[in-house]
Amino acid sequence: DIQMTQSPSSLSASVGDRVTITCRASQSISSYLNWYQQKPGKAPKLLIYAASSLQSGVPSRFSGSGSGTDFTLTISSLQPEDFATYYCQQSYSTTFTFGPGTKVDIK
Amino acid sequence: EVQLVESGGGLVKPGGSLRLSCAASGFTFSSYSMNWVRQAPGKGLEWVSSISSSSSYIYYADSVKGRFTISRDNAKNSLYLQMNSLRAEDTAVYYCARGFVRSGYEQFDYWGQGTLVTVSS
Repeated sequence: DIQMTQSPSSLSASVGDRVTITCRASQSISSYLNWYQQKPGKAPKLLIYAASSLQSGVPSRFSGSGSGTDFTLTISSLQPEDFATYYCQQSYSTTFTFGPGTKVDIK
Repeated sequence: EVQLVESGGGLVKPGGSLRLSCAASGFTFSSYSMNWVRQAPGKGLEWVSSISSSSSYIYYADSVKGRFTISRDNAKNSLYLQMNSLRAEDTAVYYCARGFVRSGYEQFDYWGQGTLVTVSS
């Protein structure tokens, strides 16, 4: 099975900061990588698919990059509504493994 | 508007069974694969199972294989998860999610609000 890791597990940032979250796969997954945002008590929301494609309706301050085993999610200027937990997910294999999550909170 | 509404969660004893349902509306249900994802209290997301649009392909996480069965009824626009031999570690909020494929890349683009399953004596 493909294992996913994320770093950091949590981070504290201020409004306006540039934030980068890293996701690593245990084997090459090409660009089969999605990013989700989840707020407390809510369902996850798709942000980025195919490593770098922005889901419709998602603000352009979110961007994704990478291929193979190493990927990043970048928030160019953190907004108050962006404080949440972010998960990566591989869709290379039919077991759609999620990363353990990165919690972004207010500094 | 796409809507996914889960139901069937509740309190069940270890070793017991429960059947979750997910009612879909606002899209052509029979054209999409569907998935179950769970989240234990205070923990991350765990993919549980997937079923293709015509039920031809079904996949399970190792943690539930042999105990859970995913199914769908395209005439009723409904997805199901039959959960047997439940364990304390199956306690979680269970989400159904639609699988959407673009240019060969699949992602879960719509999610339900979740239903809580608690396994406890």
